[in-house]
Amino acid sequence: EDQVTQSPEALRLQEGESSSLNCSYTVSGLRGLFWYRQDPGKGPEFLFTLYSAGEEKEKERLKATLTKKESFLHITAPKPEDSATYLCAADPSGGYQKVTFGTGTKLQVIP
Amino acid sequence: GAVVSQHPSWVICKSGTSVKIECRSLDFQATTMFWYRQFPKQSLMLMATSNEGSKATYEQGVEKDKFLINHASLTLSTLTVTSAHPEDSSFYICSARGSGAVFNTEAFFGQGTRLTVV
Repeated sequence: EDQVTQSPEALRLQEGESSSLNCSYTVSGLRGLFWYRQDPGKGPEFLFTLYSAGEEKEKERLKATLTKKESFLHITAPKPEDSATYLCAADPSGGYQKVTFGTGTKLQVIP
Repeated sequence: GAVVSQHPSWVICKSGTSVKIECRSLDFQATTMFWYRQFPKQSLMLMATSNEGSKATYEQGVEKDKFLINHASLTLSTLTVTSAHPEDSSFYICSARGSGAVFNTEAFFGQGTRLTVV
């Protein structure tokens, strides 16, 4: 059974304090690994897709990396507006496009 | 990025009534749409997957007669919660994937609908 585990469940950082969020996955082949940001009461907002081990993508203060078993979302010098829940999701290879989501990491950045 | 519009953003209904939620892809053709349910402080739980013009595939434990899904066109899918009860109160989110080099990868999400059954 496909499984995605995110850690930590919650993370509290001071503004400017860099850190990383972890996403471990077990899927039957990986077509893509997605990262989303979700603000309270809203749908997830797409951030990145990673396709192969060793791939990295960056957007402002965020950088996502991928290995064969896990993905990291690095947040450099975060700001209060980066506070949100970050979700990762694994898209298995094969014809059925069912994506498995992790439970998310709730990030709070304190001024 | 691609835009998926979900309507309404919130709805309050009486127990026993039905509620319809719409999900539209505004700038691409959504060959596949997904409906999720999200409880407070939990992740998204896939309810069903629908492909345009065919019957939806429901996940185990999801009542197909209670959660009616219609994917009548490449830009519109609807979820109808029939005979709603307070335990159906939740945040419902749709997502859509299209075809082609860009749109058959990541899924784009609607804004979500907060359903409260009183």
